[in-house]
Amino acid sequence: GAVVSQHPSRVICKSGTSVKIECRSLDFQATTMFWYRQFPKQSLMLMATSNEGSKATYEQGVEKDKFLINHASLTLSTLTVTSAHPEDSSFYICSARGGPGSGANVLTFGAGSRLTVL
Amino acid sequence: QKEVEQDPGPLSVPEGAIVSLNCTYSNSAFQYFMWYRQYSRKGPELLMYTYSSGNKEDGRFTAQVDKSSKYISLFIRDSQPSDSATYLCATYNTNAGKSTFGDGTTLTVKP
Repeated sequence: GAVVSQHPSRVICKSGTSVKIECRSLDFQATTMFWYRQFPKQSLMLMATSNEGSKATYEQGVEKDKFLINHASLTLSTLTVTSAHPEDSSFYICSARGGPGSGANVLTFGAGSRLTVL
Repeated sequence: QKEVEQDPGPLSVPEGAIVSLNCTYSNSAFQYFMWYRQYSRKGPELLMYTYSSGNKEDGRFTAQVDKSSKYISLFIRDSQPSDSATYLCATYNTNAGKSTFGDGTTLTVKP
């Protein structure tokens, strides 16, 4: 089945530094990837839709200059949290639509990246 | 009002119990209905999805959709401790190309 690899799984950084999270579709090409943020005991909050070769589409209230998204190839999307602050600490999850034998309604998720900003 | 409302739980049941997880939705444009399972500190994984009203069974899991009442259910038979996780219902609107998630129900199955 479709596999989405997300790296790193955990990262701890100092306030003011930038952190990059990678999301790769391992066995299929993903023209569209999604980035979510999840707080403890809460659901997924869609941050942005990442489109290969074009600018990401951000959800209302998400700062595009704070959360930089790059989707340079059909198998890789990256999320960079710039000048991270403690309030950015969260669980970030990427997903890709479709995959071999899957319809557009199916999302394959990465394992998530837990960011802790000190 | 959220487009997808999910019973918040948490839900705790003894091993072997039948579990019922429920969601309602408001947008009749939703065409696909999914259930994802998320273990602690992991990304969600797809359990099953349905397209039309009715039941769909996969092993111990049965997904049920009633489009007339906009009601989605997931039943788990003979629940096991390994079923302990957060279950997210989700809908997909083909025209909008958008998935909408419920807030999730955390299930604990006690041995």
